[in-house]
Amino acid sequence: SYELTQPPSVSVSPGQTASITCSGDELGDKYTWWYQQKPDQSPVLVIYQDSKRPSGIPERISGSNSGNTATLTISGTQTMDEADYYCQAWDSSTAVVFGGGTKLTVL
Amino acid sequence: QITLKESGPTLVKPTQTLTLTCTFSGFSLSTSGVGVGWIRQPPGKALEWLALIYWDDDKRYSPSLKNRLTITKDTSKNQVVLTLTNMDPVDTATYFCAHYDPLILFDYWGQGTLVTVSS
Repeated sequence: SYELTQPPSVSVSPGQTASITCSGDELGDKYTWWYQQKPDQSPVLVIYQDSKRPSGIPERISGSNSGNTATLTISGTQTMDEADYYCQAWDSSTAVVFGGGTKLTVL
Repeated sequence: QITLKESGPTLVKPTQTLTLTCTFSGFSLSTSGVGVGWIRQPPGKALEWLALIYWDDDKRYSPSLKNRLTITKDTSKNQVVLTLTNMDPVDTATYFCAHYDPLILFDYWGQGTLVTVSS
């Protein structure tokens, strides 16, 4: 079955740029989605189809996908961005696949 | 606007069957392309996709749980039901349902319901 790998944690200073990676076999040939989840809340979609933002998601959140790695980038990181982030892909054999999640700490 | 809410038991015993209902509003499951999915999250752990049902009654299941899962819909009631058989303590999790769009995927989520498996 298809698997997505994320780093367990990423730390960033306020105002700096955070990059969260998601790796999978030929992931660049698939679309990737990203979700933000804050403690005791439901996930919120922040990026779909690699780089598109739903309405209400700030422009400082962006996504890219190439080769075997998709990347979620948060520019000018704020304390409100501290959360768990999950990547997700669609595989023809597995259908929906989630990554293991990355805890973003802003300090 | 689109809203979804999960309902069902908060506590089940090992070997029992879990039945969860997702009641939604703001969209119809008879609209082409639309679907409802179920995702769960054990305490402190990652999201895990379980099942997806489409407007045309096509269904997809997680390969690892396929033999234990059933997803159905009642379009007239705006409900989707998930059953998971032979529950085990490792199935303790918050279970979410979510609206599925073919391009955006899971764009609206329910609040989730915590199910504990214990004797």
